[in-house]
Amino acid sequence: DAGVIQSPRHEVTEMGQEVTLRCKPISGHDYLFWYRQTMMRGLELLIYFNNNVPIDDSGMPEDRFSAKMPNASFSTLKIQPSEPRDSAVYFCASSMTGTLGYTFGSGTRLTVV
Amino acid sequence: AQTVTQSQPEMSVQEAETVTLSCTYDTSESNYYLFWYKQPPSRQMILVIRQEAYKQQNATENRFSVNFQKAAKSFSLKISDSQLGDTAMYFCAFMKGVGANSKLTFGKGITLSVRP
Repeated sequence: DAGVIQSPRHEVTEMGQEVTLRCKPISGHDYLFWYRQTMMRGLELLIYFNNNVPIDDSGMPEDRFSAKMPNASFSTLKIQPSEPRDSAVYFCASSMTGTLGYTFGSGTRLTVV
Repeated sequence: AQTVTQSQPEMSVQEAETVTLSCTYDTSESNYYLFWYKQPPSRQMILVIRQEAYKQQNATENRFSVNFQKAAKSFSLKISDSQLGDTAMYFCAFMKGVGANSKLTFGKGITLSVRP
């Protein structure tokens, strides 16, 4: 298996633009997590899904952020409109019920200028 | 809510020596899971070691071992025979359970530098 695949690896966008981050979990994993990493706040859980259904989105910072999982092999995290304070590394991770620990993707470094 | 505290922002160690990274956590749960993740400059998050709270024996993985003190809510990572490739950020993390409880709560991390 190729692991958790995130795209793009880097994204630079202008303030006010829409940004879409993509994630393909490991086949057979039924949990998918989106995390954001910044120097100030460390790794924060934004939202997670089980069997494509959002379970907990209490970490989503504001309405500008939205996440979807239309099927078991694809998820998106969208920011609209983007702001400079959204600059961070965004990680996607997946896991399987009954197992411990996640497999992380390589992350997307987002820079909003 | 669970919290994870890593109070040392940075540490440095000479190659081949031993270093211990500290972590404390706060929870009212009696059973849970603890993890150490490594994040090298490549940015990839790599699982180093994990500990189940119901197990009294400390986990070990080659040069990596933990000192789990449940009563003190302490979970430190010991790296023996440090290697240059151990240079990375290390994150301590807490998980309440599996399934619906499987979200990880991370500490702020510690930057470890191994000197040649």
